[in-house]
Amino acid sequence: GNSVTQMEGPVTLSEEAFLTINCTYTATGYPSLFWYVQYPGEGLQLLLKATKADDKGSNKGFEATYRKETTSFHLEKGSVQVSDSAVYFCALNENLPGNQFYFGTGTSLTVIP
Amino acid sequence: DAMVIQNPRYQVTQFGKPVTLSCSQTLNHNVMYWYQQKSSQAPKLLFHYYDKDFNNEADTPDNFQSRRPNTSFCFLDIRSPGLGDAAMYLCATSRDRGPLGEQYFGPGTRLTVT
Repeated sequence: GNSVTQMEGPVTLSEEAFLTINCTYTATGYPSLFWYVQYPGEGLQLLLKATKADDKGSNKGFEATYRKETTSFHLEKGSVQVSDSAVYFCALNENLPGNQFYFGTGTSLTVIP
Repeated sequence: DAMVIQNPRYQVTQFGKPVTLSCSQTLNHNVMYWYQQKSSQAPKLLFHYYDKDFNNEADTPDNFQSRRPNTSFCFLDIRSPGLGDAAMYLCATSRDRGPLGEQYFGPGTRLTVT
């Protein structure tokens, strides 16, 4: 079956620190991979995505590379800001009719000044 | 701006009293989804509409129903809310169901059951 596993949180970092949030997946086919971000009291927003192996998604200084050999899609940012404090969800879409999304459990990030 | 709108943002209902949550979209997307998200958990898909075609997830309780009267609106009906149904309910849309189908989420409705 399909599933997504994220590193457990919460994660607390100082401003300008390097961020890595690990994500690994299990899929029966060739999924697309996504990172969504949820700010307090809001819905999920797409942060970045990658649709095939070796693709790199990037947005707002965040990056993630689709690694088929390690079934991973780790999220990284070189220098976090207080405004990056949120919950981050890794997700996969199996690319089959129904567009079923499988979400990880989310990783809470707090950035302190 | 095109968007997904959910009303109300906060809803309080009594145990066993039917409640309806509303979602509307200005994106003209074919697909609309309802997710349940409990505290510190991943969103869980309840069902989705592809146009007028209703698709229920196998483990969605019968207590949850949905209506989509037109392209823009979709409603989540909880017939007899229990305490365990207290959660954030997220509506999402996508242009189609095929590959690359990015989903656009509304801000959610937080349901409290007293």
